[in-house]
Amino acid sequence: GAGVSQTPSNKVTEKGKYVELRCDPISGHTALYWYRQSLGQGPEFLIYFQGTGAADDSGLPNDRFFAVRPEGSVSTLKIQRTERGDSAVYLCASSPTPTGANTEAFFGQGTRLTVV
Amino acid sequence: GNSVTQMEGPVTLSEEAFLTINCTYTATGYPSLFWYVQYPGEGLQLLLKATKADDKGSNKGFEATYRKETTSFHLEKGSVQVSDSAVYFCALKSGATNKLIFGTGTLLAVQP
Repeated sequence: GAGVSQTPSNKVTEKGKYVELRCDPISGHTALYWYRQSLGQGPEFLIYFQGTGAADDSGLPNDRFFAVRPEGSVSTLKIQRTERGDSAVYLCASSPTPTGANTEAFFGQGTRLTVV
Repeated sequence: GNSVTQMEGPVTLSEEAFLTINCTYTATGYPSLFWYVQYPGEGLQLLLKATKADDKGSNKGFEATYRKETTSFHLEKGSVQVSDSAVYFCALKSGATNKLIFGTGTLLAVQP
């Protein structure tokens, strides 16, 4: 597709369950980012991949959150033992290489996660 | 640490009114500055950017000037339209990292 694709668009899960959120970046983009946007807030950085490796995971809130990008394209954000406070919109973005301070990031429409 | 502060909304204007949304930042080094827009039901889109002091970013009639002396990047438009109704986010990216740091967003509602 032409843009960043995220699936599912909506996910409702019960507290304590495991969830996976998928991101398909723009073809050829080597940089991939995950952000979390809580209601009424701006997006907050979670993790950044350059190729297959996580170059910066400083935004992951705790060890229940994990992300992978095994082949350098599709990425999966995994949340274990979900809590109600994990409810938010999870955004994925990608950038072409080389990345830099003025390189545009293209965002997907997000996955709205609701933990009940 | 790096941070962005933008004016709280909602901002409600009549069509053709002048728009200013204030944004100030705190950052080490020389960040690049961005305005992103989120239209209802759509993803975040880059509206404009500026990469160094005194640069002016512009797009779709919107402008913002990178002011290092006041650490500001205020968004302006001379005549808003109903179609400009959206949430606007100010953001920065420092050269030391590739992550964007966003403000809390400002909801703009333009009435006909």
